[in-house]
Amino acid sequence: AQSVTQLGSHVSVSEGALVLLRCNYSSSVPPYLFWYVQYPNQGLQLLLKYTTGATLVKGINGFEAEFKKSETSFHLTKPSAHMSDAAEYFCAVQGAQKLVFGQGTRLTINP
Amino acid sequence: GAVVSQHPSWVICKSGTSVKIECRSLDFQATTMFWYRQFPKQSLMLMATSNEGSKATYEQGVEKDKFLINHASLTLSTLTVTSAHPEDSSFYICSAAEGVTNNEQFFGPGTRLTVL
Repeated sequence: AQSVTQLGSHVSVSEGALVLLRCNYSSSVPPYLFWYVQYPNQGLQLLLKYTTGATLVKGINGFEAEFKKSETSFHLTKPSAHMSDAAEYFCAVQGAQKLVFGQGTRLTINP
Repeated sequence: GAVVSQHPSWVICKSGTSVKIECRSLDFQATTMFWYRQFPKQSLMLMATSNEGSKATYEQGVEKDKFLINHASLTLSTLTVTSAHPEDSSFYICSAAEGVTNNEQFFGPGTRLTVL
């Protein structure tokens, strides 16, 4: 069975500061890992995904994440936050057909 | 590419009525479609998985007779909320995947259901 834990339901950073959203997973098989972003009253948009290969994955909008098997982590980072990054972020792990989502982290950007 | 649409984007209905939500894959054939429910400030909870031409597989705790899912073609799945009640008010999101296993899911924009 798969599970995901996102540390911190709410993260607040200043514009231009580093963004770090934490995600730890549990999986009985090699995991496929995803980060999604959700803006209010909208569906999910894929930021990036890890399946196999290179453990540092680059995504859209300047985001990247590193798969660390020894730490069972897949933290999301962005070097410099922008006001438009304010949204809800979900980490997810895929097992068989299903996606299992974390609880979500609301990112707030302070001007 | 890989666009998924949902219709309607929002719906308000009276308690006791039924509401149908459509999910369409616009530029690919969706062998598998998924229906999620999201309550305010919460994560997405998978309700059911449907494969084209076969019965949907419901998650534990989801009432099959209340949430009817039909996946009659490779581009269309429908979710019907029967005899809706205020506690069914939620944001319903569908996703679609081309394959059966380990294929990326593409998400629709969601449908906001409010039951009065």
